[in-house]
Amino acid sequence: EPEVTQTPSHQVTQMGQEVILRCVPISNHLYFYWYRQILGQKVEFLVSFYNNEISEKSEIFDDQFSVERPDGSNFTLKIRSTKLEDSAMYFCASSLNGARGSGIHDEQFFGPGTRLTVL
Amino acid sequence: QKEVEQNSGPLSVPEGAIASLNCTYSDRGSQSFFWYRQYSGKSPELIMSIYSNGDKEDGRFTAQLNKASQYVSLLIRDSQPSDSATYLCAAPLRGGSNYQLIWGAGTKLIIKP
Repeated sequence: EPEVTQTPSHQVTQMGQEVILRCVPISNHLYFYWYRQILGQKVEFLVSFYNNEISEKSEIFDDQFSVERPDGSNFTLKIRSTKLEDSAMYFCASSLNGARGSGIHDEQFFGPGTRLTVL
Repeated sequence: QKEVEQNSGPLSVPEGAIASLNCTYSDRGSQSFFWYRQYSGKSPELIMSIYSNGDKEDGRFTAQLNKASQYVSLLIRDSQPSDSATYLCAAPLRGGSNYQLIWGAGTKLIIKP
């Protein structure tokens, strides 16, 4: 069964350093997402991506964050200068379609996540 | 502010019984609802999606949607210890391209052998 994959599973970095989190969405899916979950808290939306551009982003997704689809399979999240509060699980997800007419949304499938620890 | 609310639990259910998980949402116009299961330290795993009023069954799982009352529930029949997890309810945020999912805090379910 096709699945979303993410690397690395755990990333430890020093405050102020840049990190790149990588994802391979399900191959025929067209919409890609990044979410994060701080330990013990809700899952939070960061950004959605379609047709090589950002479709939607949350307030969390500020200028320190960027996303890219560098080739036909990878989808990356870059944090330019990490802060202590960026420590969280980061999940990539993908869906075949996005929002269809009449408010119906396709199911989103999640990867296993990358645990980011900022020291 | 669009909200999805869940009782955090824990909800303790004996093995073999029916577990009932509930979720309410604030946006009357929401059309899509999703139940995910999350084991500790793992990612959300999609269990069910529901778009229409009424019941939707998939194996031991039944999702129920009542748009008039703005709640969605998940029933797990013949509960197993492996069902012990946190169950997350999610719905898309309306407005704009509205691809993002808004998440409840999750209900922790414990199945007691």
